[in-house]
Amino acid sequence: NAGVMQNPRHLVRRRGQEARLRCSPMKGHSHVYWYRQLPEEGLKFMVYLQKENIIDESGMPKERFSAEFPKEGPSILRIQQVVRGDSAAYFCASSPTRASSGNTIYFGEGSWLTVV
Amino acid sequence: DAKTTQPPSMDCAEGRAANLPCNHSTISGNEYVYWYRQIHSQGPQYIIHGLKNNETNEMASLIITEDRKSSTLILPHATLRDTAVYYCIRTPGSNDYKLSFGAGTTVTVRA
Repeated sequence: NAGVMQNPRHLVRRRGQEARLRCSPMKGHSHVYWYRQLPEEGLKFMVYLQKENIIDESGMPKERFSAEFPKEGPSILRIQQVVRGDSAAYFCASSPTRASSGNTIYFGEGSWLTVV
Repeated sequence: DAKTTQPPSMDCAEGRAANLPCNHSTISGNEYVYWYRQIHSQGPQYIIHGLKNNETNEMASLIITEDRKSSTLILPHATLRDTAVYYCIRTPGSNDYKLSFGAGTTVTVRA
């Protein structure tokens, strides 16, 4: 059973470009979470999605960031007009049901975004 | 707000057991305790979780006190590869959906 798959693992973008990070959850998981980890900092929640729905985006910056989890295909975290401060590791996680039910949330290996 | 308290760091000798404490004094009856670890430059790795009873798997054991206000993660035979940041996390509440990570405990296993 493949784990949570993220790609690309490493991405370099120039300031002002767009970054798209993809996440394929584990088989049978319909709940996806995105976290960001700035250099030398902790993991910060960004957004929680179920298929076709954003459930909690309380951790998303108000501008330039968006996320989706379509009926078919991976979840996408999109960052428009990237700035140097967006350089970070972005982790995706998935679970079969919501986290409060006692199921395990599994994380991917992350996508490292560098903005130059 | 991670709602748990952990020591910021601890050292452990290779081959010895590592006992990692966590305080969650305000935990409610239906909240689980989860443990994850993050090795440098990798994604968080699930270790174990429990509700009331002690749990054991191939990686570790989780000991939860009877009043559920604290727990201990035990790595029975620490190796150098166990050097990582270890996070103790509570289940989200009924109106919350996410695991919230605190600063964790930086565990350094020394030869």
